Amino acid sequence: NAGVMQNPRHLVRRRGQEARLRCSPMKGHSHVYWYRQLPEEGLKFMVYLQKENIIDESGMPKERFSAEFPKEGPSILRIQQVVRGDSAAYFCASSPPSGGRGNEQFFGPGTRLTVL
Amino acid sequence: AQSVTQPDIHITVSEGASLELRCNYSYGATPYLFWYVQSPGQGLQLLLKYFSGDTLVQGIKGFEAEFKRSQSSFNLRKPSVHWSDAAEYFCAVGPNTGGFKTIFGAGTRLFVKA
Repeated sequence: NAGVMQNPRHLVRRRGQEARLRCSPMKGHSHVYWYRQLPEEGLKFMVYLQKENIIDESGMPKERFSAEFPKEGPSILRIQQVVRGDSAAYFCASSPPSGGRGNEQFFGPGTRLTVL
Repeated sequence: AQSVTQPDIHITVSEGASLELRCNYSYGATPYLFWYVQSPGQGLQLLLKYFSGDTLVQGIKGFEAEFKRSQSSFNLRKPSVHWSDAAEYFCAVGPNTGGFKTIFGAGTRLFVKA
């Protein structure tokens, strides 16, 4: 059973460009979470999605950031007009449909975004 | 407010010595508690988790953690550290009533000296 997959692993963008980060959850998982990790910091929750629905985006910056999890295909985190402060590691996690055992999440290897 | 505090930014121990990483949490309800490890440039790997029951939980790689409700703590321990344990360790808390938002501490970086 393949784990959570993220691509690309490394992404370099110039200021003002768009960044698209992809996440394929584990097989059978229908919940996806995105986190951002700034250098020397812990992970900060950004958004929680189920198929075709955004459940909680309270951690997403109000502008330039968006996320989707379509019926088919991976979840996408999109950052428009990137700025240097967007440089970070972005982690995706997935979990199975809730079964009363909390929300143990399985993490992908992350995408490291560098904005020049 | 919900929060997780890892008081030690970094810790250095000698190989073979015992280890304890501290974690305190603030949470309005009974939480689910996790410890994750992150090697440089890698994602997070779950070491162990506490949902309910026995407050001493065993994890992978010889790690264990003890949930102490009275102290709001969930400290991670290992009796004998190996050089390969050098990594960053994150304590996290999540809701046990459904929901999804996992809150992470800032992490403790472990250095192991020969």
